[in-house]
Amino acid sequence: QKEVEQDPGPLSVPEGAIVSLNCTYSNSAFQYFMWYRQYSRKGPELLMYTYSSGNKEDGRFTAQVDKSSKYISLFIRDSQPSDSATYLCAMSAAGSARQLTFGSGTQLTVLP
Amino acid sequence: SAVISQKPSRDICQRGTSLTIQCQVDSQVTMMFWYRQQPGQSLTLIATANQGSEATYESGFVIDKFPISRPNLTFSTLTVSNMSPEDSSIYLCSSDSGGPDTQYFGPGTRLTVL
Repeated sequence: QKEVEQDPGPLSVPEGAIVSLNCTYSNSAFQYFMWYRQYSRKGPELLMYTYSSGNKEDGRFTAQVDKSSKYISLFIRDSQPSDSATYLCAMSAAGSARQLTFGSGTQLTVLP
Repeated sequence: SAVISQKPSRDICQRGTSLTIQCQVDSQVTMMFWYRQQPGQSLTLIATANQGSEATYESGFVIDKFPISRPNLTFSTLTVSNMSPEDSSIYLCSSDSGGPDTQYFGPGTRLTVL
C-alpha cells in the first residue's frame, strides 16, 4: 500500500464548476499537508499549505485536512480553464518537514 | 519565492553515458532536493543535498548511480551515471529555506535514454 493515495482522474469539468480533489494517507506522523499545481512541462507550484487538521482558504481554493480520517481535500470554486493542470498532494512528518511524500497527481481539465 | 532554473531542459542520451543536470537558485538556501518523476507517476525523492556535506540518499538510490554536488548555497548538480532506458524520466530539483511552505521547484529536466 502506498503511503499517499490520490484519486487518479483524469477529471473533466465545465467552467464555473466546483472541483473536489482528494488524497488519503496511512502515515499518522504526517503533520504538514500541501497541494501543488503542475502545468504541462513545468515544475510543481505550491498552491496551499496546511499544518495539522483544519481548513484554509485562499481565494477560490480551500484546503481541508481531517487527520482522524487521514483524508485531505482541495476544493476549487468557480473553476477556470486556466486551472487545467495536474494537482499533486504532498505531506511530511513533523521533524522531517522538508521531505515530502507526494500523491500520484490528478489531471484536471476545465472546459470553457 | 525562490526562482529555480535547471539545465538542460531536456536531453536525449545513449545507453551507458552520463548526464549532469544543473540547478541554480536565485537566493541562498539551506537544503536542495532532487526528485524523479516518471510518466504518470508521483515525484520520488532521490536525495537531499546540504552545502558542505555528503548528500543523503533515499532507499533505492545510490551515490554511484546519482552522484550529487552542492558546492555553495545557490547551486547543485545531479549526475545520472551509466544510463539505461529505465532512467528516462523528468528530474526536478527543489529548494527549501526553512519550512514546508517554502519548497520551490525548478522546471525539470526531461531525459530520454535510447
